[in-house]
Amino acid sequence: NAGVTQTPKFQVLKTGQSMTLQCAQDMNHEYMSWYRQDPGMGLRLIHYSVGAGITDQGEVPNGYNVSRSTTEDFPLRLLSAAPSQTSVYFCASSFGTGAYNEQFFGPGTRLTVL
Amino acid sequence: AQSVTQLGSHVSVSEGALVLLRCNYSSSVPPYLFWYVQYPNQGLQLLLKYTSAATLVKGINGFEAEFKKSETSFHLTKPSAHMRDAAEYFCAVSFGSGNTGKLIFGQGTTLQVKP
Repeated sequence: NAGVTQTPKFQVLKTGQSMTLQCAQDMNHEYMSWYRQDPGMGLRLIHYSVGAGITDQGEVPNGYNVSRSTTEDFPLRLLSAAPSQTSVYFCASSFGTGAYNEQFFGPGTRLTVL
Repeated sequence: AQSVTQLGSHVSVSEGALVLLRCNYSSSVPPYLFWYVQYPNQGLQLLLKYTSAATLVKGINGFEAEFKKSETSFHLTKPSAHMRDAAEYFCAVSFGSGNTGKLIFGQGTTLQVKP
């Protein structure tokens, strides 16, 4: 059971480039989400999904797209990278969508945009 | 609006000393409260959670937290710090029944443990 996996671990982009951060979970979890972590700001929710085919915006969605074609995968796309998107990105999943559910986090992707 | 505040971005204790990390929340509805720990270069791991059962919650690695509604607090404690407890700790809150599990995180507190 690998849990939540993320690739790549590190990435450097130039301004304007696009890329996709991959996230997968093998726990058959309904709920998946993406957060970004910035110093002194904790983690902020970017997008989330309550099941295959269903996504919604979180607190800081601008500049990011997501899709959920399968239960297992939840990729995050940066369409045109900006230096403000330099951050550490975490994917998380939970069994149910209730507010009391524990979320399981991946190891993170450290992204630098030059 | 709901919010979480962690008092102190850095806390330093000696090995064997009491650990106290403070968390206050603002909410108009009963909250679910969580403490997560992040070790260097890793993802977040759940320490404990409050879901309206017992107000004193015990977690992993000897940590516990007490929910105090009158003080809107959920402080994290451990009687005796170990070197391995050095990490960043996040308090988080989720609101309402049927909520889609959106967590609001505090800013984080870095715990340093001195030998």
